[in-house]
Amino acid sequence: GAVVSQHPSRVICKSGTSVKIECRSLDFQATTMFWYRQFPKKSLMLMATSNEGSKATYEQGVEKDKFLINHASLTLSTLTVTSAHPEDSSFYICSASSRAQNEDEQFFGPGTRLTVL
Amino acid sequence: AQTVTQSQPEMSVQEAETVTLSCTYDTSESNYYLFWYKQPPSRQMILVIRQEAYKQQNATENRFSVNFQKAAKSFSLKISDSQLGDTAMYFCAFMVGATNKLIFGTGTLLAVQP
Repeated sequence: GAVVSQHPSRVICKSGTSVKIECRSLDFQATTMFWYRQFPKKSLMLMATSNEGSKATYEQGVEKDKFLINHASLTLSTLTVTSAHPEDSSFYICSASSRAQNEDEQFFGPGTRLTVL
Repeated sequence: AQTVTQSQPEMSVQEAETVTLSCTYDTSESNYYLFWYKQPPSRQMILVIRQEAYKQQNATENRFSVNFQKAAKSFSLKISDSQLGDTAMYFCAFMVGATNKLIFGTGTLLAVQP
């Protein structure tokens, strides 16, 4: 149980285009979803927290207009990188938690590698 | 602000031996949780073990155990009988109970040698 998927696993795009990454909880309802960014050989940095039906809460320094987060249902959250540039290239990971389970435990997706040319 | 420090960027251990990974944290909160996550080459984050701050007893999960020293704000991970599959990056993480936000340390790359 508690499986989280991400799609796509890898994406390459041209500079200036937008890219959407999906995060799905497959066998539970995710009350809260989190989006992280991980640079090579670095730690995970929390970008934003989203609750179903509410606006996402962004961490300091994260541009909300550049990284659009939508959490329209209890099983799906999307991260859209708008007008992507090479410096946005990174590994993006989502996680999900649920009030029905241990809310303090997050279940992680397998990540999405974004490369902006 | 909460911080998590892992002072060992890389470690190596022989198969079947025991290794301890260090983690210290800083917080003024009283209600929090501590975690160790494993990130193998596949990049999938896997929960290894968790500890509630209010529990004095150290958590254990099979070959994995922690030494939780609350006063010293220390949370080390001991891996017994190391296996090749334990090779991974290990992250210590901290969560304040009310926020559910995870703050990660910088990680320790563990290599298990045959």
